[in-house]
Amino acid sequence: SAVISQKPSRDICQRGTSLTIQCQVDSQVTMMFWYRQQPGQSLTLIATANQGSEATYESGFVIDKFPISRPNLTFSTLTVSNMSPEDSSIYLCSVEELGGSDTQYFGPGTRLTVL
Amino acid sequence: KQEVTQIPAALSVPEGENLVLNCSFTDSAIYNLQWFRQDPGKGLTSLLLIQSSQREQTSGRLNASLDKSSGRSTLYIAASQPGDSATYLCAVMVSSGGSNYKLTFGKGTLLTVNP
Repeated sequence: SAVISQKPSRDICQRGTSLTIQCQVDSQVTMMFWYRQQPGQSLTLIATANQGSEATYESGFVIDKFPISRPNLTFSTLTVSNMSPEDSSIYLCSVEELGGSDTQYFGPGTRLTVL
Repeated sequence: KQEVTQIPAALSVPEGENLVLNCSFTDSAIYNLQWFRQDPGKGLTSLLLIQSSQREQTSGRLNASLDKSSGRSTLYIAASQPGDSATYLCAVMVSSGGSNYKLTFGKGTLLTVNP
């Protein structure tokens, strides 16, 4: 199974600033996904990031607010832009392995608090 | 729009007890159903994946069933242990348009197993 790391593990930020979260995988993967988990809520998919193409965003999420990069098959970044307290959440990266069994593997998450 | 509901929201049992967690979904057009456990600071761990054509999957003390036509799944945990304490999440994989797909999650069941 893929091993995924995320940086930072947690951060406290001021409103109006931006934070970039990194996701590194120990093997090449086709699909990478970014999720948000707001306090007391279920995980919600923000976008799907495929290498070499623009990320696909879910309803309610836009590229200007959550720009994503996917420069190669093992790495992706998610930026949370112009943050407000409503952006306080856990952000999780997940992957599906090449030729995999549909199982998704998740990183440990980044806990973001916006003051 | 697919919605996933998990009952109960929280469950506390004594060690050794067998227990059942429930998951229901509103749209039967799913590719698969997955059960995860979430531990604080450790992200999500995949427990079981049931393809839409399957009825159940087993792994050790865990057994998951799927009744796609009625939109229900159960996770059975036998002989529960304190180490089973975690939040258990149910998720269904559905089409998100074109060739893309996504996981839709329930809010989870917080399980506490008391020694």
